[in-house]
Amino acid sequence: EDQVTQSPEALRLQEGESSSLNCSYTVSGLRGLFWYRQDPGKGPEFLFTLYSAGEEKEKERLKATLTKKESFLHITAPKPEDSATYLCAVQAGIQGAQKLVFGQGTRLTINP
Amino acid sequence: GAGVSQSPRYKVAKRGQDVALRCDPISGHVSLFWYQQALGQGPEFLTYFQNEAQLDKSGLPSDRFFAERPEGSVSTLKIQRTQQEDSAVYLCASSLITGGFLHFGNGTRLTVT
Repeated sequence: EDQVTQSPEALRLQEGESSSLNCSYTVSGLRGLFWYRQDPGKGPEFLFTLYSAGEEKEKERLKATLTKKESFLHITAPKPEDSATYLCAVQAGIQGAQKLVFGQGTRLTINP
Repeated sequence: GAGVSQSPRYKVAKRGQDVALRCDPISGHVSLFWYQQALGQGPEFLTYFQNEAQLDKSGLPSDRFFAERPEGSVSTLKIQRTQQEDSAVYLCASSLITGGFLHFGNGTRLTVT
């Protein structure tokens, strides 16, 4: 069974203090790894898709990386508006299987 | 519309009542998904449509849950004889192409009392 585990569950940082969020996965045949941001009372908002080990993608203060067992979301010099829950999800298995399997999320708080 | 729209935003049901949750995906989006999100957890897959065809319903927790998308656009998730464990946020998502990234709605928060 495909599994996704995110750590830490919650993280508090000061504004400008860089850190990384971890997403470990156990799947049969990874087809894509997705990062989403979720604000309270809202649906998840797409950030990145990574397809193969070694791939990296960047957007503003965020950079996502992928290895064969895990993905990291690096946040550089965060601002209070970066506070949110960050969700990792995998798409795996046979071609045609479209569902995403999500981790439980990391709740990130950036204090001014 | 600008995004995925879900209604109602909040629903309170007494145990045993039937409920219907509506999803209006982004116009032209082929794929439509329903997810269930418990408090403090990540979304869990319920079911998937490609146009009007329901291709995967492996995540529906019981036969009390039923989803349809008869004309390949609007979808309805129906829960019969609601139970307290059905209390959660129900998220709908759509994508333009098969395998594309998902655009989520803001969900319907269902509370069963």
